[in-house]
Amino acid sequence: EPEVTQTPSHQVTQMGQEVILRCVPISNHLYFYWYRQILGQKVEFLVSFYNNEISEKSEIFDDQFSVERPDGSNFTLKIRSTKLEDSAMYFCASRRGGQYEQYFGPGTRLTVT
Amino acid sequence: GENVEQHPSTLSVQEGDSAVIKCTYSDSASNYFPWYKQELGKRPQLIIDIRSNVGEKKDQRIAVTLNKTAKHFSLHITETQPEDSAVYFCAASRVSGNTPLVFGKGTRLSVIA
Repeated sequence: EPEVTQTPSHQVTQMGQEVILRCVPISNHLYFYWYRQILGQKVEFLVSFYNNEISEKSEIFDDQFSVERPDGSNFTLKIRSTKLEDSAMYFCASRRGGQYEQYFGPGTRLTVT
Repeated sequence: GENVEQHPSTLSVQEGDSAVIKCTYSDSASNYFPWYKQELGKRPQLIIDIRSNVGEKKDQRIAVTLNKTAKHFSLHITETQPEDSAVYFCAASRVSGNTPLVFGKGTRLSVIA
C-alpha cells in the first residue's frame, strides 16, 4: 500500500539556520498539507497546497516559512531562519481528489539548538 | 474558525472493557470527522471517519457516532486490547476546497492487561 514518505527523519539545526523538510506524497494525490506537533501537544495545521499554489495557511505559517513542489513528486517545507520554538515534529499529509481522507507521513523531528 | 475540544485527556481501562472518547466542535459547517491513532514516535494513522450525512459508523471493534445538532462526536472501542494503547486524536473539517483538519488535544488511552 502506498505511503507518504518524509526525509530526513530527524534534523538538528542551530538557531538562525535554514532547513528544508522533504515529503513525497502518495502518487495520485492532489492535495498536500504540512502540520506540526510540538512534543506532547496536538497536531496543528501549517499550510495546504493544491494546483501549485497555497490554498490556506495558519497564523503559524509566517514569512519564515515557504512551501514548494519543485517537481512531480516532492513537496518541501522551508524554514528560512529557525527559532527555538520551531522545534517540533513536522508531518506532511496528502489526499486524493474527491476523497476526504488525509494520509500522514512518518514525520521529521526538527530540533533547533 | 473551527475549534475542537476532546475529553478525557487520559483514559485507563482494563483489557476487555470499552473505552469512549468524546469531542465537540464549534463550526456547524464542518462535515467530516476523522479519528487518528498515534503510537509513540509514529505518524497519526486514520482509524475511522464519519461524514455529516450519517449518525454512526462501525468497523469491527471501533465505532464513531455523530450528533450534528449538539455538535459532538464520539469514538467507541469495545473489547479493548493492550495494542489499543496509544494517543487518539479527533479532528473536524469542512471538506470544501483544501480546508485543513482541526485536531483535538488528544486522549492517551492505556489498556491494562
